[in-house]
This record gives sequence, structure tokens and C-alpha cells, in this order.
Amino acid sequence: DQQVKQNSPSLSVQEGRISILNCDYTNSMFDYFLWYKKYPAEGPTFLISISSIKDKNEDGRFTVFLNKSAKHLSLHIVPSQPGDSAVYFCAASGGSGGSNYKLTFGKGTLLTVNP
Amino acid sequence: DTAVSQTPKYLVTQMGNDKSIKCEQNLGHDTMYWYKQDSKKFLKIMFSYNNKELIINETVPNRFSPKSPDKAHLNLHINSLELGDSAVYFCASSQGIRNSNEQFFGPGTRLTVL
Repeated sequence: DQQVKQNSPSLSVQEGRISILNCDYTNSMFDYFLWYKKYPAEGPTFLISISSIKDKNEDGRFTVFLNKSAKHLSLHIVPSQPGDSAVYFCAASGGSGGSNYKLTFGKGTLLTVNP
Repeated sequence: DTAVSQTPKYLVTQMGNDKSIKCEQNLGHDTMYWYKQDSKKFLKIMFSYNNKELIINETVPNRFSPKSPDKAHLNLHINSLELGDSAVYFCASSQGIRNSNEQFFGPGTRLTVL
């Protein structure tokens, strides 16, 4: 039962171009969404987040867009840099009960930025 | 000065053995977590402790027992290891339990059960 889906296991882009990573979710109770970045042999690190009351959040080169009606969010990286090459995890939280802070992760998308 | 550290980084052991993984955070956080990343790459929450109290306990075999001696430590003990326990285990911490509280992850412990 995948509540958070990242359907593209990998993405390759040229340095300087835009990278767009996509994420879909099925649980309509989710109200907070996060992107984590992971390098090999390291733990995930927080990148950017968005609350369901917003449809866009921007932080430097990173922008997250949320389309609640489509249950879809995307992460845009502009311009892409070789150091952005990593696995990107989409995560969501929310819902009723005492564990609405529990994060549900997607499987991740491996982004490769070519010089 | 690692914020969230785990030991060991790699653990290779035989089926049936008992092993422990340790986690320490020096961020002053009051909430700690254990996640499992299996062969399908999903990161799934196993346990969470807030101020040393268990607050999340997912459907995990009772061979897995977390222990939090203090707010800075959360250890994971696994009894009677099985092949299916092979995975990467990540510890994480956060300040508070709101869903907007950023979780900081450790580097992971790769467990291989032979």
C-alpha cells in the first residue's frame, strides 16, 4: 500500500538545466510534505517542505509545488548542478490520531546531473 | 561533530543471533526514531520515542526492541535475526513531534544476515 509514490526511479539532466522530480500521494489526510536528499552512504537530509495551505514554497534554487486536487507535488531545481546528484525522497505526514507527525516516504528518485 | 551518529556502520551476522545498533544525537532533541530501508528502497518508520516515551510502534516483529536510556540515545536490539531483517537501519531525531519538525538522520547501519 504505497501512499507516497515516486514513479520515476531515475532522472538525468544537463548541468544548468531544470530538474523536475515528481511525487504522487493517495492519502487525502496528508497535510505536510517534505523533500529529503540522500547521498550514498549517508542519511537523508532535509531539503524543503510545504504545508497543504500553500501551493508553492521556494528556497534558493529549490521550489516545491503542491497540487492538492491532483494529489501531486513536484520539486524543481534550477539551475541543476553536478553536486545535486543524489537520491531525492518525497515524504508526507498528517492525518487523524496521535501519529500525524509520522513521515511516509516514497521510494526515491536518483537524480544525475551531467557536467 | 556528527549530529546523529550510529554504531556500527556495518553489521554482518548469522541467522539466529542477537544484535544491537546504537544511536546518539547531540542536537538536544527530545524525539528519536528508527527507520528501516529494505531492498525495495522504502524508508519505513519502525519506532519513535519522545522524551524517552514510546509514541510510535509500527507493525514490527516483537524480536525488535527499542530502548531509550535518555533523550540523547535510542538503541535497537534485535533478537533471533532472520534473513529478512537484512536492510539499512536509520536513526533520526527531531525537536518536538509536530509534522513540520525537521528530522535529522544518522548515516545508517547496513545489517546483513547470512
